[in-house]
Amino acid sequence: DTEVTQTPKHLVMGMTNKKSLKCEQHMGHRAMYWYKQKAKKPPELMFVYSYEKLSINESVPSRFSPECPNSSLLNLHLHALQPEDSALYLCASSHPTGTLSEQYFGPGTRLTVT
Amino acid sequence: AQKVTQAQTEISVVEKEDVTLDCVYETRDTTYYLFWYKQPPSGELVFLIRRNSFDEQNEISGRYSWNFQKSTSSFNFTITASQVVDSAVYFCALSVGGNTGFQKLVFGTGTRLLVSP
Repeated sequence: DTEVTQTPKHLVMGMTNKKSLKCEQHMGHRAMYWYKQKAKKPPELMFVYSYEKLSINESVPSRFSPECPNSSLLNLHLHALQPEDSALYLCASSHPTGTLSEQYFGPGTRLTVT
Repeated sequence: AQKVTQAQTEISVVEKEDVTLDCVYETRDTTYYLFWYKQPPSGELVFLIRRNSFDEQNEISGRYSWNFQKSTSSFNFTITASQVVDSAVYFCALSVGGNTGFQKLVFGTGTRLLVSP
């Protein structure tokens, strides 16, 4: 099973709302990633968790707050977002052998901030 | 610094034509990994292939084939007898470094392939 699931598929939120994106995998992967993708652009890395610890934060604004409760789950908490944060948010996971392993992506959450 | 260039922004072909997507990479590392991903309109990135810098063998998988040439720093992707379902954005990506427990991908800008009936 090479499946990464993400919920919700679509999300519309106001600038004062608080919401969360969820990601789950059951492949035994110990690295999990959040990406942001704007239209007609490649994915941009936001955060990396390795063995449930935050390993990379690509200078993401604090209105995005990641959380990795266990080895299968990854959350992205959203608060006070701006319209320019509207994008496709992709979650991915990879085997702990690091650069030896490809990343598997979820279907993404299409976020619209109004 | 690492960089991936996909010079073809968009390619349009008619079904059953062969098409090659170009990928040129830059890195000073001797150990690196190259990937191709497909992103259909639904949005999910689908892994297609991984190749490491020590393995220059070309690979064929059904209608897909990949040509890795270190001498020209290229990792090109060919679809034979294209089909409408091949319509998608294709990303080439590069990762470098040792075994840190995760990888950091450098993506190209992507090539949009449109296959018409």
